[in-house]
Amino acid sequence: AQSVSQHNHHVILSEAASLELGCNYSYGGTVNLFWYVQYPGQHLQLLLKYFSGDPLVKGIKGFEAEFIKSKFSFNLRKPSVQWSDTAEYFCAVKGGNNRKLIWGLGTSLAVNP
Amino acid sequence: GAGVSQTPSNKVTEKGKYVELRCDPISGHTALYWYRQSLGQGPEFLIYFQGTGAADDSGLPNDRFFAVRPEGSVSTLKIQRTERGDSAVYLCASSPPQGGGTEAFFGQGTRLTVV
Repeated sequence: AQSVSQHNHHVILSEAASLELGCNYSYGGTVNLFWYVQYPGQHLQLLLKYFSGDPLVKGIKGFEAEFIKSKFSFNLRKPSVQWSDTAEYFCAVKGGNNRKLIWGLGTSLAVNP
Repeated sequence: GAGVSQTPSNKVTEKGKYVELRCDPISGHTALYWYRQSLGQGPEFLIYFQGTGAADDSGLPNDRFFAVRPEGSVSTLKIQRTERGDSAVYLCASSPPQGGGTEAFFGQGTRLTVV
C-alpha cells in the first residue's frame, strides 16, 4: 500500500534560517509528488509538484524540492524563511494511474520574527 | 466562481442525524475529489468522480457515507446516522481534465462536529 512519511511534525525557526522538511514515500512505480501548504485559516494550496524530468523543482515563494528516486524522497527546502511562511506543510503522492492523493501527516512550521 | 466552494463552512449535528455537505467545483473541472481531515492528520481520500460517475470510492469508510454528482458539476457528500467519530474537516477538490498528473484545487472545507 502507498504511504507517505513526513519526518518533522513541528518545526520552529527564526526568520532567515534555512528550511528542509523531509518526505519519504512508499510506492514501487511511477509517482507524481506534491507539496501543499495551508496557511492559518486558509485552504490547501499547491507549493510545487514533480511529474517527470528535472528532479529539482521550483515552486512559489522561493520553495524548491528535490526528487531522489533511489531514496524515495521528495524533501522541501527554502534557503531563508520568513514569518509569513508560518503554516502547515503537507507532502502528497499520486501513484501510477491513480487519481487520488496519499498524504503525509503534515509539518507545522512556526517562524519567529 | 474562481475557486472550489464548499457549504456550509461549519456544521454541528447531533449523533444519529443525517447531514449533507455540498461542493461546487471550479467550472470546467471534470474531476472532483472528497477527502476527510481529522485533527493532527493529513487528508484521507474518500471518493473521486470523473464526470458524473464515481471512478474510485474505495476510501468511503462504510455504507453510511455516500456521494453523488448527478450533473457532473456540484457534488454532495451524504452521511447517515452520524457518529462522533465522523467529526472532521471534509475537503473537496477539483482538477481539470488534462491528465493524471494535474494538481487538485481545494476548497476551504466543511468542519463537521457531531455532538
